[in-house]
Amino acid sequence: QIQLVQSGPELKKPGESLKISCKASGYTFTDYAMQWVKQAPGKGLQYMGWINTQTGKPTYADDFKERFVFSLETSASTAYLQINNLKNEDTATYFCASRVAYWGQGTLVTVSS
Amino acid sequence: DVVMTQTPVSLSVSLGGQTSISCRSSQSLVHSDGNTYLYWYLQKPGQSPQLLIYKVSNRFSGVPDRFSGSGSGTDFTLKISRVEPEDLGVYYCYQGTHYPNTFGAGTKLELK
Repeated sequence: QIQLVQSGPELKKPGESLKISCKASGYTFTDYAMQWVKQAPGKGLQYMGWINTQTGKPTYADDFKERFVFSLETSASTAYLQINNLKNEDTATYFCASRVAYWGQGTLVTVSS
Repeated sequence: DVVMTQTPVSLSVSLGGQTSISCRSSQSLVHSDGNTYLYWYLQKPGQSPQLLIYKVSNRFSGVPDRFSGSGSGTDFTLKISRVEPEDLGVYYCYQGTHYPNTFGAGTKLELK
C-alpha cells in the first residue's frame, strides 16, 4: 500500500536549520509530484509548494520562497524539506503529500530559544 | 491567489443527523482541461488530513456513501448524512486548479 513516512519531531533554536524527510513506498516515486503543507498550532492548512519528482524542479508558494528548500533523493524514494534560518513562526507541523490523497504523518517542528 | 471561503466555521450535529458545508472560491475552479480540481478533506485530531472527495463529487476509495460532494464553478457543497462519531473533526476544501493551490479555513464538526 502507498505510504509516506516522515522523520521525527524537531526542537530547534532560532537561526538554526533543519531537514525533514518524507520516504515514499508502494508506488513509483517519480510518477507523482510531492507537495508540502504547513499547519501552525491550532491553525489551518497552508500550501507550501511542490517538487517535480522527475526533474527535481521545486516550485514554491510566495510565503515560502525564502529559507525553504525542497529536494529529492530519488534512489531512496525520499523527498526533503529544508528550512534555513529558523524563526519562531516556523513552529508548525509539516506534511508531505502525494497524489492529493496520500499524506505523511506530519513532522512537528518547534522553534524556541 | 484563489480564496476559498468555507461556511460555517463550526457545526454542531446529532449522531445520525445530516449536515452540509459550503465552500466558495474567489474565481471559477474549472481548469482549462475541463476538470474542476476541488477536493474535500477531513482532519481528525492529531492526524493527517484524509481525502474524502476529489474533483467535486467523486468519493475516494473506502469513503462511505454518507459523504457526497456537489457544485460547480465557484460554489461547492459537502453533505454528510447519518453522522457517526468518526466523522467528527475539521473539514477542509482545497483547490488545485489555480497555482498556488489553496485551502479553505476549515469547518469544525462537533457533536450536539
